[in-house]
Amino acid sequence: GNSVTQMEGPVTLSEEAFLTINCTYTATGYPSLFWYVQYPGEGLQLLLKATKADDKGSNKGFEATYRKETTSFHLEKGSVRVSDSAVYFCALSDSTGGFKTIFGAGTRLFVKA
Amino acid sequence: DVKVTQSSRYLVKRTGEKVFLECVQDMDHENMFWYRQDPGLGLRLIYFSYDVKMKEKGDIPEGYSVSREKKERFSLILESASTNQTSMYLCASSISGRGSVTDTQYFGPGTRLTVL
Repeated sequence: GNSVTQMEGPVTLSEEAFLTINCTYTATGYPSLFWYVQYPGEGLQLLLKATKADDKGSNKGFEATYRKETTSFHLEKGSVRVSDSAVYFCALSDSTGGFKTIFGAGTRLFVKA
Repeated sequence: DVKVTQSSRYLVKRTGEKVFLECVQDMDHENMFWYRQDPGLGLRLIYFSYDVKMKEKGDIPEGYSVSREKKERFSLILESASTNQTSMYLCASSISGRGSVTDTQYFGPGTRLTVL
């Protein structure tokens, strides 16, 4: 079945550091891939998405490229801020999975001033 | 902006009680979802609905039921609450009916349920 694996946290960085959160997936069809972010005390919100291979999603300085050959969708940001502290979820949606969205376990990011 | 609201942010119930969690969205979305979020497990789908009065089981439907009598409202029911149902419950909606893999889901703030 479909699945999403993302790196375990927590990840602790200093402000202005480079961020990578790894995400790999397994899917039998042609999935869409998503990164959602959950700030403290809130629900999830979409950060970025990519719907086909080689697409790059970007938003708020974050980027992720849909790599079919490595089945990956790693999240990157060149210079993190304290306000980026949150939990990040990688997710996929695929027709062979009944159009349901499968979420990874989440990676908590702490950014220190 | 899409707004998804949930009836309570925090709820404390006793074992065996019937519990109702309510979710309302204001953007005429077709799909609605109920997830539970537990540390280390991410989000797990309990039930979803792609139309009024329609429902489909997700990955962990046992011990739960749902109701969608109106398009904007999706209720999650715990028929007899148990301690292993202590969790964060998240409601979400998305615009399309059944069959879209590209839609963004819009989430409510969550209800933290404690069953004693």
